Amino acid sequence: SQKIEQNSEALNIQEGKTATLTCNYTNYSPAYLQWYRQDPGRGPVFLLLIRENEKEKRKERLKVTFDTTLKQSLFHITASQPADSATYLCALDGRGNSGYSTLTFGKGTMLLVSP
Amino acid sequence: KAGVTQTPRYLIKTRGQQVTLSCSPISGHRSVSWYQQTPGQGLQFLFEYFSETQRNKGNFPGRFSGRQFSNSRSEMNVSTLELGDSALYLCASSTTSGVWNEQFFGPGTRLTVL
Repeated sequence: SQKIEQNSEALNIQEGKTATLTCNYTNYSPAYLQWYRQDPGRGPVFLLLIRENEKEKRKERLKVTFDTTLKQSLFHITASQPADSATYLCALDGRGNSGYSTLTFGKGTMLLVSP
Repeated sequence: KAGVTQTPRYLIKTRGQQVTLSCSPISGHRSVSWYQQTPGQGLQFLFEYFSETQRNKGNFPGRFSGRQFSNSRSEMNVSTLELGDSALYLCASSTTSGVWNEQFFGPGTRLTVL
């Protein structure tokens, strides 16, 4: 069956360190993978999109890698800050019932950055 | 530009009732998707509408339905509510249909079924 796995345990790191979050998937062949941030009581906010033919994408302190052989994406936040504390969701394209692709989300990993 | 708005923000219903939730997408966005979010299952896709047509549907029972109007505003309806329908319902809009598009989410409607 299709699965998207993100570490269910919260990741605790110290301010200034690099946070690395993992997204593994099975029985998918995504052409796109997206990362979102969600704060408590709010909707997810788009961060980055990476295509299957891109190995790495950067945006300010964020970096995403996409390894279609390992079926894994890594999400890095460098020089982390307490304001980065949130739940991070990966999402990839899965085939819907009608044949159109739709975004399928992992359950997310909570990141806690302490001062 | 105003963001995605959802009404109401909070709703309490009892089993067997029905509920209608509303979503106004960002101006100019023609695609609206609905998701259900629960602690156990995470974000699960309900359906997507594009130009008033349902493009895709997730694995939810027929009690869950939706529609989109000509101004791209969308509603979803849940009939014969069950306790397990308690969740945060999120809608997201994007400029066009397609998983390569950034999804802009609203704040959600928190539905509690008693």
